[in-house]
Formats: sequence, C-alpha cells, structure tokens
Amino acid sequence: SQQGEEDPQALSIQEGENATMNCSYKTSINNLQWYRQNSGRGLVHLILIRSNEREKHSGRLRVTLDTSKKSSSLLITASRAADTASYFCASIQGAQKLVFGQGTRLTINP
Amino acid sequence: GAVVSQHPSWVICKSGTSVKIECRSLDFQATTMFWYRQFPKQSLMLMATSNEGSKATYEQGVEKDKFLINHASLTLSTLTVTSAHPEDSSFYICSRTGRTNNEQFFGPGTRLTVL
Repeated sequence: SQQGEEDPQALSIQEGENATMNCSYKTSINNLQWYRQNSGRGLVHLILIRSNEREKHSGRLRVTLDTSKKSSSLLITASRAADTASYFCASIQGAQKLVFGQGTRLTINP
Repeated sequence: GAVVSQHPSWVICKSGTSVKIECRSLDFQATTMFWYRQFPKQSLMLMATSNEGSKATYEQGVEKDKFLINHASLTLSTLTVTSAHPEDSSFYICSRTGRTNNEQFFGPGTRLTVL
C-alpha cells in the first residue's frame, strides 16, 4: 500500500526558480528517502534523512523532516532543465521493504 | 555506472503468452531483490521480495502463480509474467539494497505491452 501523499502532484516552474515538494506519511519511520525518476527510467536515490534529523543538505537539495507532523519536504534550489523528472519520497517498512509516496512530476521550463 | 541491469528494456507480446524479465545485480551479491510495478503516471508498487535460494514473498493482492519469481543465484532474479493479458501492461522495475540496507539501487525498468 502507498505510504502517503505527495503534493503537489505536478509542478511546473521556470529555470532558476526553487522547487518545493512535500510528502506526508502514515506510519512511524526510521528514515525517509527521496528518489528521482526520469521519464521511463529507473529510480535514483537522492538523499536519506533519519528520524532524528530535522534537515539535511546535499548540493542543491535540501530535505526537511517533521516527525510530529509525519511530513517531509524536498527543496531543489536554482532549478535546471535537467531537473525535470518525477520525485518520490519513500520509507522502509519492516526489514527492507520500501514504500513510496505518489510522487511529484516536476517540469522545469527553460 | 549502473549497478542493476534489466533485460529486456521493453517487450511486446500477445495476450496469453508468458514473458520473462531478468534483473541482474552487477557489482554486489544480492540475497534479496525486489520487484515493483508502475502504471503510467503512478507510483511504484512493490509486487514481491525475491529471496535467493528460497521462495519469494508476495505482497497482498499479487498472484504468485501469475508472477513467477526465481532467484537462483546471488546476482540474478527473474520475473515471469505468465499468460499475460493487456491489464498486465506496465513498467516493471527491480531493485536491490546496498550494503547498509537503507537505500535501494534500481534497474532501468522493463516496459511490457500486452496486445
């Protein structure tokens, strides 16, 4: 079953702007992960934030986690056309089972 | 470079035929691999967990007799869609965990179209 919701479902912005995507989840987590999927391709792991962390940075990516609200956000700063993709949050349930959110389709307009 | 490969990348078959999809871990011996299905503009849904040397663990609602999984070696898992029907048309993606069991590494996916 899906872990939770992501919003927006689709986001279209101009190159250079920042893109923010949100994810809500239902169950307790040890960590939350964000993945990227280019159209018709597999997924690429972007960043992992642990449940005892509130914010994490990786290059132009910034992830926040609010365990009290069971939500996370992914911020991509200074967006580029190459950032056009779908972005999914995911968490591990059980030993290794990864459960994904519904995803945000991001379009960066040049 | 890619650490998980899939073959074929796409396949078109007639209704009623069976299709086998291979997933290979290229750089790591994976005792556990995962099979997902993704319909257009939707998220990934875990179908089953493939366990080397033992039976796969299927998610609720996934027919084990229809989606046969074989994990005969530490680097290869196969998914066979038996008696495929048009509603089985989807994007099938496999993955394996890394050394930490946190992140997963995904194959490029296989687009199955059943006519």
